[in-house]
Amino acid sequence: QQPVQSPQAVILREGEDAVINCSSSKALYSVHWYRQKHGEAPVFLMILLKGGEQKGHDKISASFNEKKQQSSLYLTASQLSYSGTYFCGTERGDSNYQLIWGAGTKLIIKP
Amino acid sequence: DADVTQTPRNRITKTGKRIMLECSQTKGHDRMYWYRQDPGLGLRLIYYSFDVKDINKGEISDGYSVSRQAQAKFSLSLESAIPNQTALYFCATSDLQGRSDTQYFGPGTRLTVL
Repeated sequence: QQPVQSPQAVILREGEDAVINCSSSKALYSVHWYRQKHGEAPVFLMILLKGGEQKGHDKISASFNEKKQQSSLYLTASQLSYSGTYFCGTERGDSNYQLIWGAGTKLIIKP
Repeated sequence: DADVTQTPRNRITKTGKRIMLECSQTKGHDRMYWYRQDPGLGLRLIYYSFDVKDINKGEISDGYSVSRQAQAKFSLSLESAIPNQTALYFCATSDLQGRSDTQYFGPGTRLTVL
């Protein structure tokens, strides 16, 4: 039931791009993306709703393919501040608003 | 001041002890959640509450209980702590905006059970 995130970890140089994927075996209503820095609480990035459009947030954007139950988070021209662990939280169409979280993708940005 | 606070921030206890973790929020949100986070497993929902009279079990509620004392306060109790409850615990709040809502997390409580 837990969505699968890939890759588990990625190391980039500053300025490079990254894609983080989140896949579910269940039909989804929404996908939520959060970033957590070491020793801190997760922080909201964006929500993608079923039937919604691709969203963007500065140089971070995401898409949601309802048919494949997949979401992808795109980080372009990565900055040092993008380092952290990225989590997707998935909400099923038949859920009572519970989020089921992926195991996370650790992103390391080197100068 | 932080919108979501958790106390204590760190706790070391022994097997069999009863402990309580507390969460308070000033955001005025109706919904509150308790999660645990283990390395490599992400966040797992323990309990959630949509208002003071509404308490629901999450995916891993065994061994835990909760109390919603007020809209702003949501406590998590471990009746008899065991070592595999060693984890980082997060409280979160949300305010339903349409169908889906953003969750705001507290700073976390690191619990060690010896």
